[in-house]
Amino acid sequence: GAVVSQHPSWVICKSGTSVKIECRSLDFQATTMFWYRQFPKQSLMLMATSNEGSKATYEQGVEKDKFLINHASLTLSTLTVTSAHPEDSSFYICSAVSPGGLNTIYFGEGSWLTVV
Amino acid sequence: AQTVTQSQPEMSVQEAETVTLSCTYDTSESDYYLFWYKQPPSRQMILVIRQEAYKQQNATENRFSVNFQKAAKSFSLKISDSQLGDAAMYFCALSNTGNQFYFGTGTSLTVIP
Repeated sequence: GAVVSQHPSWVICKSGTSVKIECRSLDFQATTMFWYRQFPKQSLMLMATSNEGSKATYEQGVEKDKFLINHASLTLSTLTVTSAHPEDSSFYICSAVSPGGLNTIYFGEGSWLTVV
Repeated sequence: AQTVTQSQPEMSVQEAETVTLSCTYDTSESDYYLFWYKQPPSRQMILVIRQEAYKQQNATENRFSVNFQKAAKSFSLKISDSQLGDAAMYFCALSNTGNQFYFGTGTSLTVIP
């Protein structure tokens, strides 16, 4: 079964609204999670590093006020896309690092976001 | 900065034959890891094989093996005895000690029956 779970798997929202995507580590505590974005037929681009109990670290070019990341517990990180626009439509994937370190990184199943 | 380059957008292979997917990378880190991930239509990222940069021996995982050339910063994936289930998008990835992944643009592999 999935070790890292994302919810929802897909979501449709209206332009101007906000939508939240959750990333949960099911069998372990993850002090660090990562959020990636993948446009159709393109690669995964790292958006930000989510650190439990502290502010997320964003990659260059990613708007931190638009993509709000909260890592309030050791098993949950959330990505909120604020004031969504159609160009935000994409596939969002998270990953989590288990206490075992680099050899035990797990990816979530991903979440499809469509903004209409 | 880390960059990963996959120069083959699409590849095809006859079932039971061997195919090699290319990947080059660049990093200023001395300690890093390299990966090949498979992404089927379900979009789930599936780890195929990984290589620690400090290890000279090429990683092998059943029908999958890599040719790691550290000086050339090259990390190719060889798939032997290709199967229909191997058809997918393959991403080469580089990870530093911070565990962030940097992905190449992917190679779409088609397996011809």
